[in-house]
Amino acid sequence: SQQGEEDPQALSIQEGENATMNCSYKTSINNLQWYRQNSGRGLVHLILIRSNEREKHSGRLRVTLDTSKKSSSLLITASRAADTASYFCATAVFSSGNTPLVFGKGTRLSVIA
Amino acid sequence: GAVVSQHPSWVICKSGTSVKIECRSLDFQATTMFWYRQFPKQSLMLMATSNEGSKATYEQGVEKDKFLINHASLTLSTLTVTSAHPEDSSFYICSARRGLAINEQFFGPGTRLTVL
Repeated sequence: SQQGEEDPQALSIQEGENATMNCSYKTSINNLQWYRQNSGRGLVHLILIRSNEREKHSGRLRVTLDTSKKSSSLLITASRAADTASYFCATAVFSSGNTPLVFGKGTRLSVIA
Repeated sequence: GAVVSQHPSWVICKSGTSVKIECRSLDFQATTMFWYRQFPKQSLMLMATSNEGSKATYEQGVEKDKFLINHASLTLSTLTVTSAHPEDSSFYICSARRGLAINEQFFGPGTRLTVL
């Protein structure tokens, strides 16, 4: 089952611009993570934000979390052509000991040089 | 670091044959491993949760007799696609959880399966 819904589904920007991707989810979560996936490749973990955090930074990445709205955003500043990839949010819902990550539909980002 | 490998990285097989995909945690023990499937330009869909020494738990709509999962050791889980058909062509990704912390989940590089 999928929990997250990202928007936009596809985003095309010029190099140097900022890219903002949003993710909404349905149930209460323990944490929310963002991943990047280059075409046909595996996942690269970008950042994790816990449910009691509102904002987190890592390099050119800024993630926000609004648990009241069940939404998160990922901002990539000063984008580069190498940032071209699909970006997924994934949520962890703590239940019994097994807690898979549930992925959103993803945003395909194209950064044009 | 925590490294998860998958083998093979890609495989092409004929319709009706079976294919085994291995997922290994190289430098940690994984009591739980997860298998995901990803169709082109789509997201990852959880197929099953695999616990060492017990039967896998399959997500709704995933045929357990078609996708056989074995988690025989703390470092190895296998997914066997039995009697593969072209519609099984997909990218299969495993992840392994280290310990009980929810964020201690590490992903393999994926296996591209093409069924002719």
